[in-house]
This record gives sequence, structure tokens and C-alpha cells, in this order.
Amino acid sequence: SYVLTQPPSVSVAPGQTARIPCGGINIGSKTVHWYQQRPGQAPVLVVYDDSDRPSGIPDRFSGFNSGNTATLTITRVEAGDEADYYCQVWDITSEHVVFGTGTQVTVL
Amino acid sequence: QLQLQESGPGLVKPSETLSLTCSLSGASISSTTFYWGWVRQPPGRGLEWIASIYYTEKTYYNTSLRSRVTISRDTSKNQFSLNLRSVNASDTAVYYCASVRGSYRRIDNWGQGTLVTVSS
Repeated sequence: SYVLTQPPSVSVAPGQTARIPCGGINIGSKTVHWYQQRPGQAPVLVVYDDSDRPSGIPDRFSGFNSGNTATLTITRVEAGDEADYYCQVWDITSEHVVFGTGTQVTVL
Repeated sequence: QLQLQESGPGLVKPSETLSLTCSLSGASISSTTFYWGWVRQPPGRGLEWIASIYYTEKTYYNTSLRSRVTISRDTSKNQFSLNLRSVNASDTAVYYCASVRGSYRRIDNWGQGTLVTVSS
């Protein structure tokens, strides 16, 4: 089945930019969603359809998808952005929802 | 506003069946807008999709769990359910119910999650 790979961790200083990659074979041909999960809480959708934001999500969160990598970018990082982030696609071939391995973002 | 709430036992014995129910408010289980699904997360680990169901009753299952899982819905109660048979310790996880939307299956709303421990 389709596999999505993320780095286990990313560290970033407050005010800087965090980039979280999500790798998959020809992922650019698929549509990617991103979720934020704070400790002890359910995930929250932060980017959908590669680059759209749900209402209430700040424009500091953005997404891009091309080739073999999709990327979630968080600009002007804040302490409250510290969380786990997961990418997700719908693999139409297997009819599976597929999650990435997850990335823990640490704000230094 | 759509809300989902999981319910079910927090402790299940090995080899028995894990049964969870998700109650909806703010939307109908018969809505053509949503698929309804289950996702789990073992302690300290990542998210794993389990199954989804559409208003047509069409079901989708994770291949790795297909032989042990059934997802179903009850229109009279506006609920959907998960049964996972022959559980073992590796099925210990937080189980989330969720609403899934669109051709690309984004998960718009999540329940708060319920921890199910498999232990004798």
C-alpha cells in the first residue's frame, strides 16, 4: 500500500519558519491534507487539498505539493505551534486513507 | 456544528470483541456530504485509519484489519459503530470517530477519542 514518510522531528526557534516534508512516490499527483495534534488532544485539520486552510486556521500555515514531496510550512512560529503534524492522502488505488508517520515540532 | 462522541468500554480482554459507538450531533448519519470513519492511535505512536462508511452503506477497510473489523451505521439512532474482533495487546489505542469529506477524504471533524486497553 501507499507509504508516506515524514521526519520524526523538526526544531524551530520562535518567530522562524518550520518546514515539514511528507514524502511519497509521485505524491504530487495526489491531494494532501495536514493535521495538527497537540498532546492529549484529537487531531485538527490545518491544511486541506494541498494548500487550502479551514476557517479559523491562521495564514501562517500553508501547504505545497509537487513531485515526490508535499510540505507544510509554518511561518512566524509560536510556542502554541508545538505539536505533532501528520500528512494524509486518499489512495484511490487501494481505497485507503493513508497517514504519514508524523513529525513532532519543537519550538526552542 | 457537527460534533462526534465515542462511547464504549475502556477495557477489553484478549480474544474478545472491541465495540465502540459514535454518536452524531449537528448532522445526519444519512448525509450525502460525509463519510463516517474510525482512526486509532496506539500510545506514543502515529495515526492509523481503520474503516469508513458512506450513506450508501458502502464500506472501506484498512487491509491490515479487514478480516477482524466491521463498521456499520444505525440511522434510527444517528450513530455508527466499530466492531474489532479477536483483539490483542497491539489493539490498545485511542480510538477516534471522525467525519470524512470529499473526493480526497479529508477529515474535517474528530471525536475527542476514547482509550481502549486490551488486557486480562
